Amino acid sequence: AQSVAQPEDQVNVAEGNPLTVKCTYSVSGNPYLFWYVQYPNRGLQFLLKYITGDNLVKGSYGFEAEFNKSQTSFHLKKPSALVSDSALYFCAVSPYNTDKLIFGTGTRLQVFP
Amino acid sequence: EPEVTQTPSHQVTQMGQEVILRCVPISNHLYFYWYRQILGQKVEFLVSFYNNEISEKSEIFDDQFSVERPDGSNFTLKIRSTKLEDSAMYFCASSGSIADSYNEQFFGPGTRLTVL
Repeated sequence: AQSVAQPEDQVNVAEGNPLTVKCTYSVSGNPYLFWYVQYPNRGLQFLLKYITGDNLVKGSYGFEAEFNKSQTSFHLKKPSALVSDSALYFCAVSPYNTDKLIFGTGTRLQVFP
Repeated sequence: EPEVTQTPSHQVTQMGQEVILRCVPISNHLYFYWYRQILGQKVEFLVSFYNNEISEKSEIFDDQFSVERPDGSNFTLKIRSTKLEDSAMYFCASSGSIADSYNEQFFGPGTRLTVL
């Protein structure tokens, strides 16, 4: 079955420290991978995507993600967290030959001052 | 910056009633989607729509659901006879083209549907 796992319900980090939000996936074929962020009472906002090419992709607001095919992971990272980064983060995968998104359960990021 | 809009933001209905959720996708986009998120659960794909027909649908999207693009701007989701378990946040999304490089989907703010 095709799925996305986000093993942490919540990640807490101090402002200025690096952050990592974990994501692993299980799909057949080459996946398209995405990260979205959701602020309270807002829709999902696109952060970044991996389609092909360099394993490290850069996105909005200083976020980046590393695709690791052998570990089937696509972890979201940021070198220095901001309080304003506090939100709900969703990893998603689009299996080959389809354009639907399969989402993980989401990880709440809390950045403390 | 162009964005996807959805109306209403909150819809309350009685079980068995029909509801129509409305979305205005980004104007030059070609692909349209509906997702839902039951409170505390993950976002789930319902249906995708291209060239005036459904291109893919999930098991959730049964005969009670239908989608339509009645004019050049709106994209609607109809639930014919609502059930309690249809209570959820419904997100509309649109994207441009998946020709050469995958275009990300842009999401609206959602409509919270409450079935009593």
